[in-house]
Amino acid sequence: EVQLLESGGGLVQPGGSLRLSCAASGFTFNTYAMSWVRQAPGKGLEWVSSISATGGSTYYADSVRGRFTISRDNSENTLSLQMNSLRAEDTAVYYCAKGRVIVQSPYDVWGKGTTVTVSS
Amino acid sequence: EVVLTQSPGTLSLSPGERATLSCRASQSLSSNYIAWYQQKPGQAPRLLIYGASSRATGIPDRFSGSGSGTDFTLTISRLEPEDFAVYYCQQYGRSPRTFGQGTKLEIK
Repeated sequence: EVQLLESGGGLVQPGGSLRLSCAASGFTFNTYAMSWVRQAPGKGLEWVSSISATGGSTYYADSVRGRFTISRDNSENTLSLQMNSLRAEDTAVYYCAKGRVIVQSPYDVWGKGTTVTVSS
Repeated sequence: EVVLTQSPGTLSLSPGERATLSCRASQSLSSNYIAWYQQKPGQAPRLLIYGASSRATGIPDRFSGSGSGTDFTLTISRLEPEDFAVYYCQQYGRSPRTFGQGTKLEIK
């Protein structure tokens, strides 16, 4: 069974840092692009970042570029999101999502999400 | 940035009725890289349609997608009780990837 399991969310003060992880299982992780999508409380979906299957190409939303870094460890089947200089507007549920072989792909598997709260 | 505008914001229908949800893009999506997702409260989104008209694995055939260029439609031919949820369209052909604001499908 294809599964994605996020972890690392929590409460952090403005300006702080957090690292999210996504453990993948049930598929050949190093073959697929991966992404992070977030959803602020009561709001819609917002794409955050994507990474190619090899990790050689990364993409960011303007709202997080320069503060967030996406990475992957294909030997450990893990996707990560390092979040620095966090702001109140980064408060959201963060979902890990599996794409396809190319980065230009829909997200056919989603994790259950991990909650990030930025507040003093 | 490609802006996706979904309409209506809320759609009130009864089980058994037909639902038509619209997604309009601010620029033409020549490769029809449009997906539709369903999200129920407290759950992650689920992929329904990709490539504007292809059903994802395991999606019932009462769900269908159509459209090209800037106008796309998700149709649910005969609503089942479990179909009442929020639906999002997404374009994945251009960066940044963008989602529509969602259409809430509620029971009338």
